[in-house]
Amino acid sequence: DTGVSQDPRHKITKRGQNVTFRCDPISEHNRLYWYRQTLGQGPEFLTYFQNEAQLEKSRLLSDRFSAERPKGSFSTLEIQRTEQGDSAMYLCASSLLDREGPYGYTFGSGTRLTVV
Amino acid sequence: QKEVEQNSGPLSVPEGAIASLNCTYSDRVSQSFFWYRQYSGKSPELIMSIYSNGDKEDGRFTAQLNKASQYVSLLIRDSQPSDSATYLCAVHSGNTPLVFGKGTRLSVIA
Repeated sequence: DTGVSQDPRHKITKRGQNVTFRCDPISEHNRLYWYRQTLGQGPEFLTYFQNEAQLEKSRLLSDRFSAERPKGSFSTLEIQRTEQGDSAMYLCASSLLDREGPYGYTFGSGTRLTVV
Repeated sequence: QKEVEQNSGPLSVPEGAIASLNCTYSDRVSQSFFWYRQYSGKSPELIMSIYSNGDKEDGRFTAQLNKASQYVSLLIRDSQPSDSATYLCAVHSGNTPLVFGKGTRLSVIA
């Protein structure tokens, strides 16, 4: 297992375009999280899945954002009609939740989005 | 609103010294506490977790937790220039996702 994978690593897009990011979690992990991080700030929670069910969405997640995790495996995060304020690092993390947990999250390398 | 507070720094320490990083949290029922290290331009990396009051040691790192004071700290002994990074405190309450602080930037001067 190579850890959490995110694709692409970098994305530059024009304002108003749609973008989609992909995250492949650690296979044994049943929870998958999306966070957003801007310069000088800590990661801010966006949404998370337990298996294929989306359990919580942050108020930060406007209706331009949508996330899916079909079949409880990889996840996608789509941003429609991008705005300059969407420029950030989008981080995916996964974790295992069991009776012994919770455990810390393992983060992917992130997707850096720049909206021009 | 659950909050995690950290001094943003920078915290500068000489090589070989002890670096002390502090974090306070607002949710009294928080149960699990984590320290992540983040190098510039990279993603956070888990370095310590602590669940019970007291100290937990792992190599040069010691995490300290005081739930009564809602305070968690990270000590780095024999600090090295390679320890220069931003250290993020993160807190778990029940079944909710981790809440992160803004991080403290540590600079270890050779």
